[in-house]
Amino acid sequence: DTGVSQDPRHKITKRGQNVTFRCDPISEHNRLYWYRQTLGQGPEFLTYFQNEAQLEKSRLLSDRFSAERPKGSFSTLEIQRTEQGDSAMYLCASSPAFGRSYNEQFFGPGTRLTVL
Amino acid sequence: KNEVEQSPQNLTAQEGEFITINCSYSVGISALHWLQQHPGGGIVSLFMLSSGKKKHGRLIATINIQEKHSSLHITASHPRDSAVYICAVMEYGNKLVFGAGTILRVKS
Repeated sequence: DTGVSQDPRHKITKRGQNVTFRCDPISEHNRLYWYRQTLGQGPEFLTYFQNEAQLEKSRLLSDRFSAERPKGSFSTLEIQRTEQGDSAMYLCASSPAFGRSYNEQFFGPGTRLTVL
Repeated sequence: KNEVEQSPQNLTAQEGEFITINCSYSVGISALHWLQQHPGGGIVSLFMLSSGKKKHGRLIATINIQEKHSSLHITASHPRDSAVYICAVMEYGNKLVFGAGTILRVKS
């Protein structure tokens, strides 16, 4: 296993378009997290899944944002009607629910979104 | 007031210097993470600790739960240590709350 992967790595879109990002966690990690990082800031929590259940959503996640993890493996984050303020790095992380690395989060390389 | 405060925001050091980055937090936590982020965005976990001290190579992380304070030390710093170092706390739950990061530049 090569770690958490995200696709695409970069996305440029025009304001008003919809975009979808994908995250593939480390195999058998049942927890998956989405974070957003704007330039010069630390990441901010968006949402969290345990298996296929979305257990927590930040108030940052407006109605235009939706995340799914239908089979408890990969996850998608969709942004509808993108705005320039959505430009950021979107980070995915996964962690195991037990074992030596319990509660340690392993991050993907991120998807950098630019909204023109 | 942010829940996680880091200092300094920017740090420039000469190769070989001993470096300390500080992190203070204001909430109850189950664990504290130190993360490293290189240009391009990738984040690597350096340490996760809930008490005491951990050491890995030239990196040392300490935490004082009573004072709600943690430090990351780099001994014999090297230009390849140049990166953003982020402190993040795990509240009782599962999400991480991040500091704004410390930009470290080590000059040769």
